Parts: sequence; C-alpha cells; structure tokens
Amino acid sequence: GAGVSQSPSNKVTEKGKDVELRCDPISGHTALYWYRQSLGQGLEFLIYFQGNSAPDKSGLPSDRFSAERTGGSVSTLTIQRTQQEDSAVYLCAGQRSGGSNGELFFGEGSRLTVL
Amino acid sequence: AQSVAQPEDQVNVAEGNPLTVKCTYSVSGNPYLFWYVQYPNRGLQFLLKYITGDNLVKGSYGFEAEFNKSQTSFHLKKPSALVSDSALYFCAVRDGSASKIIFGSGTRLSIRP
Repeated sequence: GAGVSQSPSNKVTEKGKDVELRCDPISGHTALYWYRQSLGQGLEFLIYFQGNSAPDKSGLPSDRFSAERTGGSVSTLTIQRTQQEDSAVYLCAGQRSGGSNGELFFGEGSRLTVL
Repeated sequence: AQSVAQPEDQVNVAEGNPLTVKCTYSVSGNPYLFWYVQYPNRGLQFLLKYITGDNLVKGSYGFEAEFNKSQTSFHLKKPSALVSDSALYFCAVRDGSASKIIFGSGTRLSIRP
C-alpha cells in the first residue's frame, strides 16, 4: 500500500479482555517498530523487528504483551488480560532497512481504551 | 544504554520570532539523531536527521538542527516561526547502526499570532 495501515483505528474493550492490533507496513520495509503513546506522554518503545533477526522485545512492559511479524510483512501486537493502564495510542512504524538510519514511516495509530 | 531527553514540555513563541526546541542524548557509540513532528490528529512525520558530516542539518518546513558532540545536544531551530508550526515535536536517537530508535517525551510548540 501507499502508507502504513493500522487497524482498528479505535478499540474500546473491557478490563481483562484480550486485544489484537494490526500493522501493515509499506511493501519492502524490512524493519518494523511498535511504540505506545499515552496521554501527555512521549513515545514509549515496545518492540523492534529487523528482517529475519530475533526481535528486540526489551520495551514490552509485561508478559501480557506480545508481538509477531509473519512473512516479514504484517505485524500483530497482542495484549492479554487488558488493564486500564494499557489505554493509549499504539503506533507502528516501518523502515526500509533496519540499521539504515532512514526515516521511519508511521501509521495513524490504534487508540485503545480499556474500561 | 541509549537515552534522550527533552527538558521542556512546552515552548511558546511569537510568530516571526526564532524558535529552539531542546534535546540532549546519551549513547555509548556514535549517535544517530532525528526529529519528528506530530500535527493534531495526524501521524508522526520525519523532519530531519544527523548521521555524520556537517553539524548543522537542514530539514523540512525550514527547520534545522545543530549537533553538538561536546554538549551531547541536538536542538531543533527555525529562524522565523509560523503559527502553522504549532505541533508536538519529538527528538529520537539510535545508538550505532544495529539498535532500536528511542524517542524523547516530546515538546509541545505553540506559536502565537
């Protein structure tokens, strides 16, 4: 596609439910990042995929969070047993090649609200 | 470990005046530095980057940034602010070429007419 696509754009869920957020990066972008932006906060790094290398999961806040990237393209961020503090905008970004220092191309984000 | 700090939550400037948005960083290797902007209800957009070479880098919308190794800073500047520059600005850093990019907490820039 022409840009990074994220879905859903908005998700309201009840505490304790699981949610899946999807990111479809620009074709050919081998590096993919997930960030979280809470109200009034900066961008918090969650996870980084670079080609076929093992992902850098150092930013995942708890074991309730996981992410995968299938076929080097679409990525899914899963949050299990959601908590109210998980409410935030989850942003995905792609990059032509990990380590290339090229610009990141961001999606519009998925706004998650946990009631 | 790499880190980046934006010491100002908000910067207020009158239209036509110069603006500076501050950023400092900490890395163990060579820094790769970036600025991004987030307009209201829009995704983040790349402004400029420093990888190597000239310490003054120019980017989109008339913005520039100066890399200062001794002060570990990468402040964003513009000679004459526009009301349309009002947005949230993020500084970001990568420590070497094989690591993740992390972002600062953001600075909200408000330009008054």
